[in-house]
Amino acid sequence: EAGVTQFPSHSVIEKGQTVTLRCDPISGHDNLYWYRRVMGKEIKFLLHFVKESKQDESGMPNNRFLAERTGGTYSTLKVQPAELEDSGVYFCASSRPRSVASYEQYFGPGTRLTVT
Amino acid sequence: DAKTTQPNSMESNEEEPVHLPCNHSTISGTDYIHWYRQLPSQGPEYVIHGLTSNVNNRMASLAIAEDRKSSTLILHRATLRDAAVYYCILVTSGTYKYIFGTGTRLKVLA
Repeated sequence: EAGVTQFPSHSVIEKGQTVTLRCDPISGHDNLYWYRRVMGKEIKFLLHFVKESKQDESGMPNNRFLAERTGGTYSTLKVQPAELEDSGVYFCASSRPRSVASYEQYFGPGTRLTVT
Repeated sequence: DAKTTQPNSMESNEEEPVHLPCNHSTISGTDYIHWYRQLPSQGPEYVIHGLTSNVNNRMASLAIAEDRKSSTLILHRATLRDAAVYYCILVTSGTYKYIFGTGTRLKVLA
C-alpha cells in the first residue's frame, strides 16, 4: 500500500506570506495527525482528525494555523501569515480506525518550511 | 513534557546486538509503550509496541520490565542502516497524540 505522502517536500516563503501544506494519508485510515519540529526542539503534536472532524487541536500554536480535512481524505495545513518561528519540519501521520493506542501511526516524510 | 527518559546517544558496532533503554516510571496501566525511529531526512518510522509482555517482530524485540517502569528495545544485529534517532513513547488508551522526547541517537560503527 502507498504510504503517507506530503506536498511540497520543501517550501521557502517570506515572512507574512501564506503557505499551504498538504497531506494524503494511507487509504482507509480515518485518523490523521499533524506534528512539527521547529529548530532544535522535539517533535510536537499539533492536531488530530477523525475523518473530517477535529478530535484534538490542543497543539495548534495560534490562530495563524488552520487545518482542514474536507471529505475525510486528504488534509491541508495553512499558515497565514507565516512568521520566522514557524520554520521547521511539518509531519503528517495516519492510523487505522478503532483503538488508536494500540495501532501505530504511519508518518510521511515531512514538509520542510523555511520562513525568511 | 515527555513521559519517558532515554540516553541522548549510544554507539554500537555493526553486526552486534544493541540494547536501547527507556525509563517511564510514571506509566499507567493503560499506557502502551511504542518505539519509533527516525532515519535522516525521513519521518518517524514504527518499530514495535507492547503493553505488558515482551514482543518480537522482524525489526526488533521489546523487553518490558515486570513493573513496566522501564523497557528496552533490542536490535539483534545492528547494521549501518539502523543508525537513527530512536524514540520511546507512551500512548494512553483513549488518547491519540504522541509526545516525543529527545530520543536516543544510535551510531553504528562499521
